[in-house]
This record gives sequence, structure tokens and C-alpha cells, in this order.
Amino acid sequence: ETGVTQSPTHLIKTRGQQVTLRCSSQSGHNTVSWYQQALGQGPQFIFQYYREEENGRGNFPPRFSGLQFPNYSSELNVNALELDDSALYLCASSLPAARREGYTFGSGTRLTVV
Amino acid sequence: AQRVTQPEKLLSVFKGAPVELKCNYSYSGSPELFWYVQYSRQRLQLLLRHISRESIKGFTADLNKGETSFHLKKPFAQEEDSAMYYCALLYSSASKIIFGSGTRLSIRP
Repeated sequence: ETGVTQSPTHLIKTRGQQVTLRCSSQSGHNTVSWYQQALGQGPQFIFQYYREEENGRGNFPPRFSGLQFPNYSSELNVNALELDDSALYLCASSLPAARREGYTFGSGTRLTVV
Repeated sequence: AQRVTQPEKLLSVFKGAPVELKCNYSYSGSPELFWYVQYSRQRLQLLLRHISRESIKGFTADLNKGETSFHLKKPFAQEEDSAMYYCALLYSSASKIIFGSGTRLSIRP
């Protein structure tokens, strides 16, 4: 059984650019959630995908978008990058509703916007 | 609005002393709560869930609906307990888990 894997591990982008982050969910998990974790803060919910559809969204602007593929892997896309987008981006997979098992997290992608 | 509050950014205790990490929540529905832990250079991982009423690595947490709290406790701290701890709330109508800002637990030898 494999865990959640994210790529790349680190990334440096320039303000205004676009970025795509990738996540492979844990075997058997069909729900993927994305979080942004700024330095010194807890993870902030961006959105969740279930059956290739967005299933809940946090307080993030539309330039944060995502996809989920039939194999349950997912992408997070951020357009028009801003300096404040610099953070650790976490992907978490789960069974639907995450009630009993909670989330399984990846190691994250650290994005630096300069 | 749903919210998770961890009032302490840092908690430092001696090895063998009791530990209590505080967590308060705000949620109008029936809460489902978790504690997550992040050890140095490791990924965030689930420590325990209130619905399971379990004890993991000597830690327990009791849901107190009257005080809207879910404090994490351990009677005797060990050095390997040093880590970042996050309290989290399942916001079921939005199928998302909301995290607190975290408490860094440091165990002194």
C-alpha cells in the first residue's frame, strides 16, 4: 500500500507566473483535499475533490483551481502568483467525508514566489 | 462560524511531567474532532480521533461539548513527544477538516 506522494518537493516561481502541483492519493482513497500552510500557521483548506468534481472550497480566490483524474490523483493550479502564495502546499487523501479515518497527508510542496 | 483555537503556540514541560494541550472549537453541528501530530522532518499524521475513544502513545482526548473543548492529555511526557500538534474539526456539511494554528510541544530532559 502506498501513501500520498506529492511533486515537486520544492519550487521557486516568479510573481505573475503559473504553477501546477501534483498529488497521488493513497491506495483506496477517492477523495483529495488541498491545504496551504504558511509559516507558523496551521493548514488552511483550499478545496476538496471527489469523483473528479470539486466538493467544497475554502476562502481562496478563483486563481486557485484544481483537477482530479479517474485514478484519483489530483493537481492544484495557481495562476498569477503573488508573493503571499509562498507556503507549503499539502495534499491529503481520504475516504469520503473522512469521518473515521481522517486524512493521510503527503509531505508537501514548498512553493517560494519571488 | 466554525473555528478551532489552540491558545498556546509553545508548551514546554519536563520529561515525566503531565501534558495538556488545549483546544477549543466553535461549531453549530455535532462535532467530530481529531488531533494530528507532526514530528521533526516528518509529514503530518493522525494521532487520534474522538469517535474512537482511543489512547495512542499514551495520549487521550475527551470531547467536552459543554466547554466546547477537546484537550489532549498525557500523564507522563516523554522526550519523543516533542512535536507540533494540531487540533482539527470535521466540518461535515462542507466535507472538510479545519485545523487550529498548532502548539509546539517541547519536552525538556
